[in-house]
Amino acid sequence: AQSVTQPDIHITVSEGASLELRCNYSYGATPYLFWYVQSPGQGLQLLLKYFSGDTLVQGIKGFEAEFKRSQSSFNLRKPSVHWSDAAEYFCAVSNTNAGKSTFGDGTTLTVKP
Amino acid sequence: GAGVSQSPRYKVAKRGQDVALRCDPISGHVSLFWYQQALGQGPEFLTYFQNEAQLDKSGLPSDRFFAERPEGSVSTLKIQRTQQEDSAVYLCASSLNPPTGQAGEQYFGPGTRLTVT
Repeated sequence: AQSVTQPDIHITVSEGASLELRCNYSYGATPYLFWYVQSPGQGLQLLLKYFSGDTLVQGIKGFEAEFKRSQSSFNLRKPSVHWSDAAEYFCAVSNTNAGKSTFGDGTTLTVKP
Repeated sequence: GAGVSQSPRYKVAKRGQDVALRCDPISGHVSLFWYQQALGQGPEFLTYFQNEAQLDKSGLPSDRFFAERPEGSVSTLKIQRTQQEDSAVYLCASSLNPPTGQAGEQYFGPGTRLTVT
């Protein structure tokens, strides 16, 4: 069975600082990996996705993520965080591009001024 | 450019009542998913439709949960005899292609927050 672990429940960073959110997955085959952001009262917005090819993927809003098969990880990064990035972030894994996904429990990001 | 819409946005039900939650996917989207998101957790898959066919309902937690998409567009998730543990946000997502397609992604609605008192 596939599973996703996001070890950090809550992260606080200062505005302008760099950010890394961790994601570890368990999946038997080649995974499709996703990062979503959810603001209060909003649905999930896709930040980026990995299917194959280059292990460093670029997404929207200046986010990137790196797929490391040997570590079963897909960590999300941003070089300089903006106050508007404060939200909840979910990592997800699927066996296809648009099939049902298994989500982690999320990481809440707080941005200090 | 309408996205996925869900109604109502908030629903309070007394324990034992039946509720119906509606999802309007993006026009033309073949696939439709329902997820349940409990407080402090990530979404969990409930069921999947390809057009009007319900191809996967493995995530429905009990036979009190029922979903339909009779004409392959709007979908309704019905919960009978609601219990307190049903309190959650119910998310709907749609995608243009069937899951085996290489293109497309899931687009999520804002969710319906159900509170059972």
